[in-house]
Amino acid sequence: GDSVTQMEGPVTLSEEAFLTINCTYTATGYPSLFWYVQYPGEGLQLLLKATKADDKGSNKGFEATYRKETTSFHLEKGSVQVSDSAVYFCALNGNFNKFYFGSGTKLNVKP
Amino acid sequence: DGGITQSPKYLFRKEGQNVTLSCEQNLNHDAMYWYRQDPGQGLRLIYYSQIVNDFQKGDIAEGYSVSREKKESFPLTVTSAQKNPTAFYLCASSRGLAGGNTGELFFGEGSRLTVL
Repeated sequence: GDSVTQMEGPVTLSEEAFLTINCTYTATGYPSLFWYVQYPGEGLQLLLKATKADDKGSNKGFEATYRKETTSFHLEKGSVQVSDSAVYFCALNGNFNKFYFGSGTKLNVKP
Repeated sequence: DGGITQSPKYLFRKEGQNVTLSCEQNLNHDAMYWYRQDPGQGLRLIYYSQIVNDFQKGDIAEGYSVSREKKESFPLTVTSAQKNPTAFYLCASSRGLAGGNTGELFFGEGSRLTVL
């Protein structure tokens, strides 16, 4: 079945450091891929998405490229800020409009 | 503004009581979902509905029930049969099957249920 695996956290970085959060997926068919962000006590917000192979999603300095050959969708940001501290979820929309989420990666950014 | 409204934000329940969490959307979305999130955990699907008057069990449906009588509403009842109901509950919606699989999920702000 469809599934998403993302790197365990927490990830702790200093401000202005480079961020990578790894995400790989298993899916039948051609899913769409997403990154969501969750701040404490809130719901999830869409950060970026990609709907087909080689698409690059980007938003607020974050980027992720849909790599079909490696079944990956790694999240990157060149220079993180304290305000980026949150939990990040990788997700896919597979067959029958059913969504699958990774377990989440907590990011802590220190000043 | 269009969005998803969950209520109440916080809810306390005594053991043996049923409680109902409300979820309303004005996005004109066909599909709606309920997820459970435990501290430090990912999201687990409870129930989902692709269209009015139809819904399917997710991965952890035992002890929960839903209804989908209106397009904009998808209430979740946590019954006394749910042995460990303390959790954060998230409602979400999407365009549904008519939108293919390119549409994203839109989430409400969540409801935190605590069993006393």
